Amino acid sequence: NAGVTQTPKFRVLKTGQSMTLLCAQDMNHEYMYWYRQDPGMGLRLIHYSVGEGTTAKGEVPDGYNVSRLKKQNFLLGLESAAPSQTSVYFCASRGEDRPQHFGDGTRLSIL
Amino acid sequence: GEDVEQSLFLSVREGDSSVINCTYTDSSSTYLYWYKQEPGAGLQLLTYIFSNMDMKQDQRLTVLLNKKDKHLSLRIADTQTGDSAIYFCAEKRRAGFQKLVFGTGTRLLVSP
Repeated sequence: NAGVTQTPKFRVLKTGQSMTLLCAQDMNHEYMYWYRQDPGMGLRLIHYSVGEGTTAKGEVPDGYNVSRLKKQNFLLGLESAAPSQTSVYFCASRGEDRPQHFGDGTRLSIL
Repeated sequence: GEDVEQSLFLSVREGDSSVINCTYTDSSSTYLYWYKQEPGAGLQLLTYIFSNMDMKQDQRLTVLLNKKDKHLSLRIADTQTGDSAIYFCAEKRRAGFQKLVFGTGTRLLVSP
């Protein structure tokens, strides 16, 4: 029972590079979320999706894009990475009226 | 304001009870959650309480909710060293597709 799986677990990028973080869930959940976690700030919502083919902005969407082409996958893209995007990124998913389940996170460093 | 507030740090001795407090902001929040995060790991759901409840008990965990004061607490009985982690409270708001708003987390340190 995999739950929510994030890849990669770690990545180091140079400023200006692009990359995509993948989140996959095997629980047939409709709702999926991308958060970033920074010291002393808790988790902040970047983007979320309420179903296949839909996406919406969260609290801190600037510099990120997302896609939900398949129900089980939610991709987070950084088109031109900046040092301010150094963070730990968490994906979560949930079913209707159910709590969110989190992946183990992706540690991203931008040099 | 928007913030969900928690104290940053709590230190207890093994065997004692721990109480982690949280103040939330939206009186219309439907559910309130407690998550645990161990070093290098994701957030693990510990327990949650529906907003029309005052208390929920689950083995060593007791959640108390005071809706009037918008205050949530998590009591861990017989705290063990394995309970050392960061604990986040979160409120599920009605607006914005029921988004989850997290507190900044309380780091619990349990000493032998």
